[in-house]
Amino acid sequence: DTEVTQTPKHLVMGMTNKKSLKCEQHMGHRAMYWYKQKAKKPPELMFVYSYEKLSINESVPSRFSPECPNSSLLNLHLHALQPEDSALYLCASSQNDRVGQPQHFGDGTRLSIL
Amino acid sequence: GNSVTQMEGPVTLSEEAFLTINCTYTATGYPSLFWYVQYPGEGLQLLLKATKADDKGSNKGFEATYRKETTSFHLEKGSVQVSDSAVYFCALGGAAGNKLTFGGGTRVLVKP
Repeated sequence: DTEVTQTPKHLVMGMTNKKSLKCEQHMGHRAMYWYKQKAKKPPELMFVYSYEKLSINESVPSRFSPECPNSSLLNLHLHALQPEDSALYLCASSQNDRVGQPQHFGDGTRLSIL
Repeated sequence: GNSVTQMEGPVTLSEEAFLTINCTYTATGYPSLFWYVQYPGEGLQLLLKATKADDKGSNKGFEATYRKETTSFHLEKGSVQVSDSAVYFCALGGAAGNKLTFGGGTRVLVKP
């Protein structure tokens, strides 16, 4: 069982749809992360939130919009996605964003763009 | 910049065999090192970590020692089980924002 919960587990959407991915943790962590993982590849960092503020955006296209409404929740809003955005989206959290803090991952949302 | 190189897979073993997955890194300063495991259909699980030179991380029979002189963090397990079949990622934590640098991953398949 993971302590980082992601919903939904699977999502299929068309290129004109708007949807959101949700991530929740109750470990009191103050840093949260979004990653994208393509098949047979390592995760690629997308965003980092530290104390509910966006601290890192790895030049992610604006069709991905992150939001951190409180210290336990992290959302990723999706709009006008492309087929190449189909991937596993992973959320992670750590105690803070200081170097060397271990990150704890959820099981991900598998996203398919039609 | 930081980089991690790990051996390409797949690595196919019989049950109870000895497993080694090589991992070497390039980094400035004193990074932390991690091994993560990803079982089919799941996210990444932290397997073990080491924060300074000569530290040995261990968990579930897996071990890895932080070797600064050889810039390596090889993963070992003395007797693998079918349930150890997974993808293993070596990762380095040394960048601002706690960014992780991952190796390419090594797929391990253990046959009964």
